[in-house]
Amino acid sequence: DTEVTQTPKHLVMGMTNKKSLKCEQHMGHRAMYWYKQKAKKPPELMFVYSYEKLSINESVPSRFSPECPNSSLLNLHLHALQPEDSALYLCASSQRGTSGVLADTQYFGPGTRLTVL
Amino acid sequence: GENVEQHPSTLSVQEGDSAVIKCTYSDSASNYFPWYKQELGKRPQLIIDIRSNVGEKKDQRIAVTLNKTAKHFSLHITETQPEDSAVYFCAASGGVSNAGKSTFGDGTTLTVKP
Repeated sequence: DTEVTQTPKHLVMGMTNKKSLKCEQHMGHRAMYWYKQKAKKPPELMFVYSYEKLSINESVPSRFSPECPNSSLLNLHLHALQPEDSALYLCASSQRGTSGVLADTQYFGPGTRLTVL
Repeated sequence: GENVEQHPSTLSVQEGDSAVIKCTYSDSASNYFPWYKQELGKRPQLIIDIRSNVGEKKDQRIAVTLNKTAKHFSLHITETQPEDSAVYFCAASGGVSNAGKSTFGDGTTLTVKP
């Protein structure tokens, strides 16, 4: 399996809802990432997990809560979001952990298109 | 932290022509430079990458060149086809201070006219 998968593909939620995004990879990759992407903009890094431990949090508001239950799974829990949080949420993975000097190729999932009403 | 500038922001070429997109980076410790193609509504897809110990890499119609001294790298697409139309992002990553982070350019919207 050489793919990163994400569910759901689309999500519409109200500002009081709680929902979760899911990401899965079975390539044995040890680093997993959450990005947020607005239309016509580059992906913005939110969180990085390396060997199932949170290694980077890019000052993301607490209404976004990441979780890495095991080496293949990454979740993003959403609560009390704002309309400006509407975006494409991308998950990515890379083979090695993030502590080394040498950077690694990141492979992106198809994303979840999130709309907050 | 790292800063990546990408030019041009839009590029329109005739089918069969070449297209060149340029990026500059600021952190000399960066050692990995991927290029992603993103079609509308789809994921960024890696099309080619280069590491800092290599000056040029080619894959069929696509090539990337890296000038470490000047801190810039470029994507070259030859014999463009309408299916090359997409947004292209460059990125720079690597080094101790940027461990785990990729810094993206703002993207170039390439349109190939048939």
